[in-house]
Amino acid sequence: QKEVEQDPGPLSVPEGAIVSLNCTYSNSAFQYFMWYRQYSRKGPELLMYTYSSGNKEDGRFTAQVDKSSKYISLFIRDSQPSDSATYLCAMRDDNYGQNFVFGPGTRLSVLP
Amino acid sequence: DTAVSQTPKYLVTQMGNDKSIKCEQNLGHDTMYWYKQDSKKFLKIMFSYNNKELIINETVPNRFSPKSPDKAHLNLHINSLELGDSAVYFCASSQVPGQGSHEQYFGPGTRLTVT
Repeated sequence: QKEVEQDPGPLSVPEGAIVSLNCTYSNSAFQYFMWYRQYSRKGPELLMYTYSSGNKEDGRFTAQVDKSSKYISLFIRDSQPSDSATYLCAMRDDNYGQNFVFGPGTRLSVLP
Repeated sequence: DTAVSQTPKYLVTQMGNDKSIKCEQNLGHDTMYWYKQDSKKFLKIMFSYNNKELIINETVPNRFSPKSPDKAHLNLHINSLELGDSAVYFCASSQVPGQGSHEQYFGPGTRLTVT
């Protein structure tokens, strides 16, 4: 089993739809959870960051972490064509310092 | 002002050659990283440096060697390039965890093609 798993997509939705992106992981030591957005031929950029379990909202984006299920989600409300990108989840633990582990990414297309 | 910059943006070279990719960050971060992103978009960490000391060295071939002349720079040297080295290489930086920041800032990537 890979350390972090993510459905690669592609996922196509109409403009205005609610998008749900998910990752599962196996390492119970992970404490910090991030979502990155990567546009084609660009570097990843941080969207959301959460610590431990719970929800965090930022504009149209909501991140959820369920540590008991080892499952994290990113919801995008009122999706826009400009949201079309690859979304990568990432996580790390407290003990291993700088080791960020990334999921393989989900490619999202929001159709106008 | 570019936070994390990489040069070159594109690199096309032949098998067996030696090449370097440079990275600089102006964020004052303590830790820098090199990642490899393959054709399936999987982003995998190769190295990280914290205050000029290597703290993670994943199972990458020893043909790859990171060099950090100072806290703001982390260069990647690749010897005897192979076809399988073709990928996009990203540099990133972050503050030391525990000092208020857990996010990484990525450079624009260097697209390496080995022919």
